[in-house]
Amino acid sequence: AQKVTQAQTEISVVEKEDVTLDCVYETRDTTYYLFWYKQPPSGELVFLIRRNSFDEQNEISGRYSWNFQKSTSSFNFTITASQVVDSAVYFCALSREVEYGNKLVFGAGTILRVKS
Amino acid sequence: NAGVTQTPKFQVLKTGQSMTLQCAQDMNHEYMSWYRQDPGMGLRLIHYSVGAGITDQGEVPNGYNVSRSTTEDFPLRLLSAAPSQTSVYFCASRTRAGSYEQYFGPGTRLTVT
Repeated sequence: AQKVTQAQTEISVVEKEDVTLDCVYETRDTTYYLFWYKQPPSGELVFLIRRNSFDEQNEISGRYSWNFQKSTSSFNFTITASQVVDSAVYFCALSREVEYGNKLVFGAGTILRVKS
Repeated sequence: NAGVTQTPKFQVLKTGQSMTLQCAQDMNHEYMSWYRQDPGMGLRLIHYSVGAGITDQGEVPNGYNVSRSTTEDFPLRLLSAAPSQTSVYFCASRTRAGSYEQYFGPGTRLTVT
């Protein structure tokens, strides 16, 4: 069975601090996909990144970076120089190969509060 | 493109009532699915569809029905609402090929009293 664990229920930081959101996953598949979504207070789900199991390169997009390590089954997300607008719930998710359609398995989410 | 649309945005039902949550997408996506979001549990898959006429159960299908008669629409039916179905419901769609990103609708907040 597939499982995603986000052990940090809530994190509070002061603006400009760096913050890392942890994501640990479990799967028996050799091919799988990992995602991060952001849910701001307005409630919509915003796609941030997709990573497939064959691509272990770290990714950087502006203040966001992701560290994928298959050896520890982790896909952590770091926000550098956090801003108040980063306050949201962040979800890590896992899916099987595309043939299985839309079966995303989500973690419970991490609430990030950035204070000015 | 409107993307994925959901109606209504808010709904209050009494226990035992039935209703249909509507979901539509205008991106010609083959795959559509319904999730529910509950505090501390993330999103859980209810039902999904890989094309018109084809649906299957997800993780928490009990109490819900779906059908997919067209590519665009994927309604979710609550047969006899229960307080345990109080949740926020998200519809999502994606193309079979490409980036595999799922596009989510804005959500429907349902309260069952």
